Amino acid sequence: KQEVTQIPAALSVPEGENLVLNCSFTDSAIYNLQWFRQDPGKGLTSLLLIQSSQREQTSGRLNASLDKSSGRSTLYIAASQPGDSATYLCAVISPSNTGKLIFGQGTTLQVKP
Amino acid sequence: EPEVTQTPSHQVTQMGQEVILRCVPISNHLYFYWYRQILGQKVEFLVSFYNNEISEKSEIFDDQFSVERPDGSNFTLKIRSTKLEDSAMYFCAPRGSDGYNEQFFGPGTRLTVL
Repeated sequence: KQEVTQIPAALSVPEGENLVLNCSFTDSAIYNLQWFRQDPGKGLTSLLLIQSSQREQTSGRLNASLDKSSGRSTLYIAASQPGDSATYLCAVISPSNTGKLIFGQGTTLQVKP
Repeated sequence: EPEVTQTPSHQVTQMGQEVILRCVPISNHLYFYWYRQILGQKVEFLVSFYNNEISEKSEIFDDQFSVERPDGSNFTLKIRSTKLEDSAMYFCAPRGSDGYNEQFFGPGTRLTVL
């Protein structure tokens, strides 16, 4: 059974710092991995999708990497801003034919001005 | 990002009552998923729906839950007799014909069971 873990659970950094969020999964047979952002009480906003054949994806100040063999992904946020404060979730598509996502518990990020 | 709407945004109900949560996807969505998130917990898969039938359901999705797409447009999740532990955010996540590409989520319905 696929399980997804994210560490740390919470992170507080001063504005301007570069930071890394970690995601690990137990079954390396994934189709893809997706990172989401969730603001308090709100829905899920897709940030980046990495296909299983890819090593990384970039969008603006965000860079996500994927190492399938070790069951790990990282989300790198450059030059963090207070507006980046949110919970970041990673999710994998498990090897089934329905495309469901299996989520980690998230990392709650606070960027202090 | 394709727009998905969910209604209502917030529903308050008494324990034991039936609730229907609605999702309005755009026309090229073929796969439909419901997820829920209890406050402070992980987002959990409930059910997937394709070609007018359930393709996979989790252990959470018991006989109290049902899904349908009655008019070929709206996609609904019904909870027959709500329990306190059904209080959560419920997210609809439709997907186009390409199966495994980027997943977008609706804004969610916050269900509060009293």
